[in-house]
Amino acid sequence: AQSVTQPDIHITVSEGASLELRCNYSYGATPYLFWYVQSPGQGLQLLLKYFSGDTLVQGIKGFEAEFKRSQSSFNLRKPSVHWSDAAEYFCAVAESSGNTPLVFGKGTRLSVIA
Amino acid sequence: GAVVSQHPSRVICKSGTSVKIECRSLDFQATTMFWYRQFPKQSLMLMATSNEGSKATYEQGVEKDKFLINHASLTLSTLTVTSAHPEDSSFYICSATGGEVNEQFFGPGTRLTVL
Repeated sequence: AQSVTQPDIHITVSEGASLELRCNYSYGATPYLFWYVQSPGQGLQLLLKYFSGDTLVQGIKGFEAEFKRSQSSFNLRKPSVHWSDAAEYFCAVAESSGNTPLVFGKGTRLSVIA
Repeated sequence: GAVVSQHPSRVICKSGTSVKIECRSLDFQATTMFWYRQFPKQSLMLMATSNEGSKATYEQGVEKDKFLINHASLTLSTLTVTSAHPEDSSFYICSATGGEVNEQFFGPGTRLTVL
């Protein structure tokens, strides 16, 4: 069965500092990987996804993620965090791109301080 | 990206009543819709998979007689929480996919509070 681990429950960074959110997955075949962001009381917004090809994926809002098969990881990065990035971030895995359900990690809450 | 709406966005009801939540794909035909539930400070957990014109498939531990799902058209799926109890209070989120859409698009969620 698929599973996703986000080791960090809560991370605090200073505005302008770099950010890396960790995600490890467990899946036998090549996974389809996603990062979503959720603001309080809101739905999910897709930041980026990896299906195949280049292992460094660019997303919206200046985020990127790198797929490392050897480490079963898909860490999310941003070079300079903005106060508006404070939210909950979820990593997810699926068997295929669209028609199979997502398995989510428990999420990482990001706080941004001045 | 494609747009998925949910209605209502927030509902408060008394224990024992039933609540219906609608999930609509506004600009594409959703052959498959997923219903997730998110308890406070928890992740999203899949409740059921809904394919247009067929019965929903429920995840283990989700009571199909309590959470009735209907996917009667390619743009609408409904989740009815029957005889709701306080422990059903949660954030319910749907997602939709289908046709040439190559990913899931999420609705904004429905906050259910059962008193």
